[in-house]
Amino acid sequence: ETGVTQSPTHLIKTRGQQVTLRCSSQSGHNTVSWYQQALGQGPQFIFQYYREEENGRGNFPPRFSGLQFPNYSSELNVNALELDDSALYLCASSSLAGGLNTQYFGPGTRLTVL
Amino acid sequence: GQQLNQSPQSMFIQEGEDVSMNCTSSSIFNTWLWYKQDPGEGPVLLIALYKAGELTSNGRLTAQFGITRKDSFLNISASIPSDVGIYFCAGAPRNGGATNKLIFGTGTLLAVQP
Repeated sequence: ETGVTQSPTHLIKTRGQQVTLRCSSQSGHNTVSWYQQALGQGPQFIFQYYREEENGRGNFPPRFSGLQFPNYSSELNVNALELDDSALYLCASSSLAGGLNTQYFGPGTRLTVL
Repeated sequence: GQQLNQSPQSMFIQEGEDVSMNCTSSSIFNTWLWYKQDPGEGPVLLIALYKAGELTSNGRLTAQFGITRKDSFLNISASIPSDVGIYFCAGAPRNGGATNKLIFGTGTLLAVQP
């Protein structure tokens, strides 16, 4: 069984740029959730995708957007990057069979905005 | 963003000691989860709890879903050096609607001295 994978591992961008982060869900999982984890904090929910549709969103501005593909992989896009967007971005997958709240996380993408 | 109250914030113990940490919320949760996160890595699921009063073990770890559905605790018995890391509680709120988002605690840093 393949776990959740994310790419890239690290990324450095400058303020105002755009970034795309990628996630492959664990095999058999059809739901993907994205979280932002600032240094020293717990992860904060950004949004969730189920059947290629956004299924709920946390308190993040519209410049945070996402996609889910037919193979359940997902992308997180952030436009007009700000310094405060520097964080570890985590993807988590889950399934109806295993419980949609029982989420398994990937290793994360560390984004640094200069 | 919203975070659960988790205590203690940090613990420094000797190898072999038992550890206890807890998490509280002002609202009711349907699911409680406990994760361990190493520096620069994603959270790893330790235990998932689905019913009020449920007590579940995973090796030396034991967790309970509080009767009021507003709290949970995690115990680690006979700690070893590899238990070092940050432990997070996470819950799925009952009023989350169709979104299966997780709200995380503030984290407990555990240090184990050999």
